[in-house]
Amino acid sequence: DTAVSQTPKYLVTQMGNDKSIKCEQNLGHDTMYWYKQDSKKFLKIMFSYNNKELIINETVPNRFSPKSPDKAHLNLHINSLELGDSAVYFCASSHRLGGSSYGYTFGSGTRLTVV
Amino acid sequence: AQSVSQHNHHVILSEAASLELGCNYSYGGTVNLFWYVQYPGQHLQLLLKYFSGDPLVKGIKGFEAEFIKSKFSFNLRKPSVQWCDTAEYFCAVNAYGNKLVFGAGTILRVKS
Repeated sequence: DTAVSQTPKYLVTQMGNDKSIKCEQNLGHDTMYWYKQDSKKFLKIMFSYNNKELIINETVPNRFSPKSPDKAHLNLHINSLELGDSAVYFCASSHRLGGSSYGYTFGSGTRLTVV
Repeated sequence: AQSVSQHNHHVILSEAASLELGCNYSYGGTVNLFWYVQYPGQHLQLLLKYFSGDPLVKGIKGFEAEFIKSKFSFNLRKPSVQWCDTAEYFCAVNAYGNKLVFGAGTILRVKS
């Protein structure tokens, strides 16, 4: 069973479109994240949710909106896609205890290409 | 702000050579430290992690890392690399809070 699963694996879309990426974890973790890996392979956190509550919101355009219907799911919706949004987006989950997080597990990534 | 520095962006080694990848972080408090590997076209996989205890941590695939608190370092080592170790390696730090801060990555190419 895949611990952190993302769909779709690949997404090619035109500029201006709206798209969503879904993420689900079956590890019983209470915290989920979205990370962006740019063309230079640099990984940066975008959002984090703990028990459906947004706890980290880095400097990300408003066109990106995360949604967490329950603690096992964290979806990422992107409006008005731009060329610069092309990247690999990784979902991750962890268990939060005492203010720190443990047991990070990453999904396999969604390669988004905006044309 | 927390930062993580990986000193070498590209490393090329021959098979059986020894590997050491440097990682330094800037946070002064209690930290959790990680090394992840990303094989070409694949997702991040955890190699090893340090939370507390013995500062010499053993990971998968023969990798180990040593936490030196006085140097704010967590260098990754492997005594003898193989061609299949060709990948990108990321050091990451989690201080108080919920986010991992990643280094810029080191691309390792092992020549057969």
